[in-house]
Amino acid sequence: EVQLAESGGGLVQPGGSLRLSCVASGFTLSDHYMDWVRQAPGKGLEWVGRSRKKVNSYGTEYAASVKGRFTISRDDSKNSFYLQMNSLETEDTAVYYCTRETAVGRGSDVWGQGTKVTVSS
Amino acid sequence: DIQLTQSPSFLSASVGDRVTITCRASQGISSFLAWYQHKPGKAPKLLIYSASTLQSGVPSRFSGSGSGTEFTLTISSLQPEDFATYYCQQRNSYPLTFGGGTKVEIK
Repeated sequence: EVQLAESGGGLVQPGGSLRLSCVASGFTLSDHYMDWVRQAPGKGLEWVGRSRKKVNSYGTEYAASVKGRFTISRDDSKNSFYLQMNSLETEDTAVYYCTRETAVGRGSDVWGQGTKVTVSS
Repeated sequence: DIQLTQSPSFLSASVGDRVTITCRASQGISSFLAWYQHKPGKAPKLLIYSASTLQSGVPSRFSGSGSGTEFTLTISSLQPEDFATYYCQQRNSYPLTFGGGTKVEIK
């Protein structure tokens, strides 16, 4: 079965760091673009960033709200995808989802269950 | 950045109703638009990609249309399991952006 499973969420103080992990099963991570998407409490979905697939040199893109603070990486040998979050702000409080793009330019057809990040003092 | 404006933001409807949600892009995005359904506590679900292609396994009562700057999601006959929030997302250029969402509730 094709699945994604996030982990690593929790409570962190403003200015702190957290690393989210996403483990893929049932498919080959290196064949797909992968995204992080978040939903703050009471808000809509917000795209956070992307890692392109191996053939596209694993290039990354970020939303302006996280650029310079968040870093996306992957380890295809472990079928794992990561979001390193530094200099966290209260506005980063959200449920974070990792997602798989079905094919370039189409949609995200597989989503994890989400991991909750709370930034608070 | 490309802004997506969904309307309405809230919709009250009955089982069996035909429902239409609109998504307008601030600039042309060809057909690089996806629609998702999101229920509380669940992962979002891809319904439509490339503006009008039904994702595998999604019921045929869902359909999408449009290109350029105006898009619609239609549910031909609303079912109890369709009460959720719906989002459009453009995949034409970075940053990828979502519409603000349309919450469909039971009348």
